[in-house]
Amino acid sequence: GQSLEQPSEVTAVEGAIVQINCTYQTSGFYGLSWYQQHDGGAPTFLSYNALDGLEETGRFSSFLSRSDSYGYLLLQELQMKDSASYFCAVRDTSNSGYALNFGKGTSLLVTP
Amino acid sequence: DTGVSQNPRHKITKRGQNVTFRCDPISEHNRLYWYRQTLGQGPEFLTYFQNEAQLEKSRLLSDRFSAERPKGSFSTLEIQRTEQGDSAMYLCASSSYQRGLALAKNIQYFGAGTRLSVL
Repeated sequence: GQSLEQPSEVTAVEGAIVQINCTYQTSGFYGLSWYQQHDGGAPTFLSYNALDGLEETGRFSSFLSRSDSYGYLLLQELQMKDSASYFCAVRDTSNSGYALNFGKGTSLLVTP
Repeated sequence: DTGVSQNPRHKITKRGQNVTFRCDPISEHNRLYWYRQTLGQGPEFLTYFQNEAQLEKSRLLSDRFSAERPKGSFSTLEIQRTEQGDSAMYLCASSSYQRGLALAKNIQYFGAGTRLSVL
């Protein structure tokens, strides 16, 4: 089977940098994705890593180490609107590989 | 691009009743997914379609659940004889399949979901 572990809650101050870690166990691997979800809203794609290293998209960056089965999402210059839940996800390789298997999510609270 | 649309946004029903949800994906997307999300959890995969064909179903999808995508456009998810344990947010997502890019991002675009409460 597959499992993903991420912290349940993180608190950070506006303007700071925060890192949300994700470790995964999977028999096959097609890449690690990150999604953001505000309360009552739709999950929204943020970033994707298929290969080791850092991917940067504006204030958000994501890192992957396949040998360590580990990735993280880095949020810089935090804004109040970044308060949301963040999910790491891998493609479910138990079948076709197109469904996503999500972690339980990290609730980020940005304080003034 | 009007995004993924789901209706209704909220549904309250009594245990034992049948409910049906609708999802309209992004128009050019040929893949459509259904997920279920409960409070404090990530979305859990239920089923997915490529065009009108239902290609995969999760073990979570009991025989009380049925999904269709008759013309390869919108999809419906029906739950028969609802139980209190069915109370959750039901999310729909769509994506575009491109031949030769099987290992590509497979970005899934989600709707805001239908929140089901079974009393």
